Amino acid sequence: SQQGEEDPQALSIQEGENATMNCSYKTSINNLQWYRQNSGRGLVHLILIRSNEREKHSGRLRVTLDTSKKSSSLLITASRAADTASYFCATVLSGNTPLVFGKGTRLSVIA
Amino acid sequence: EAGVVQSPRYKIIEKKQPVAFWCNPISGHNTLYWYLQNLGQGPELLIRYENEEAVDDSQLPKDRFSAERLKGVDSTLKIQPAELGDSAVYLCASSSDGAGTDTQYFGPGTRLTVL
Repeated sequence: SQQGEEDPQALSIQEGENATMNCSYKTSINNLQWYRQNSGRGLVHLILIRSNEREKHSGRLRVTLDTSKKSSSLLITASRAADTASYFCATVLSGNTPLVFGKGTRLSVIA
Repeated sequence: EAGVVQSPRYKIIEKKQPVAFWCNPISGHNTLYWYLQNLGQGPELLIRYENEEAVDDSQLPKDRFSAERLKGVDSTLKIQPAELGDSAVYLCASSSDGAGTDTQYFGPGTRLTVL
């Protein structure tokens, strides 16, 4: 079963624009993680945000977490064609439980 | 540092045939995961190993799927017999420990097509 649900399912933007993807989940979590998957390649971990954190940055990535709304957002600033990929949020319910992935957002960045 | 290695990358078989996938995790990683990813979906955990012990296999269809991790290093996932619905990408991942805050490193996956 999938706990997280990303929105939108697909997003197409021009190079240089910002891309925002959202993730909603159903139950309380220990942490939430974002992964990227390029076509034909495995998943790459981008960022982890813990339940007691509200915002984290990594390079051009900004992740927010609102536990009251059970939602998270991933912002990619100044997008590049190389950012074209599927982006998944994954939640961890408690310290030793497995990742539960959402269905992902397919991002296309047009040069 | 070498990443997670999986083979084969692609496999096409007829239904009712057996198939096996192999995974070599990152050196020193104690925890190994097998995921199944259907088209347009996120990965779903099949089984998690801590060293050679399967600590979470609740989602593994045990009537046809089996896995092993002898010596706590590389692992094999087998399907026998394969069904049409098994067509998917099978991902292997590893992490240094099984904590939920530990980063998982994924292999490129094996794309299985069952005809």
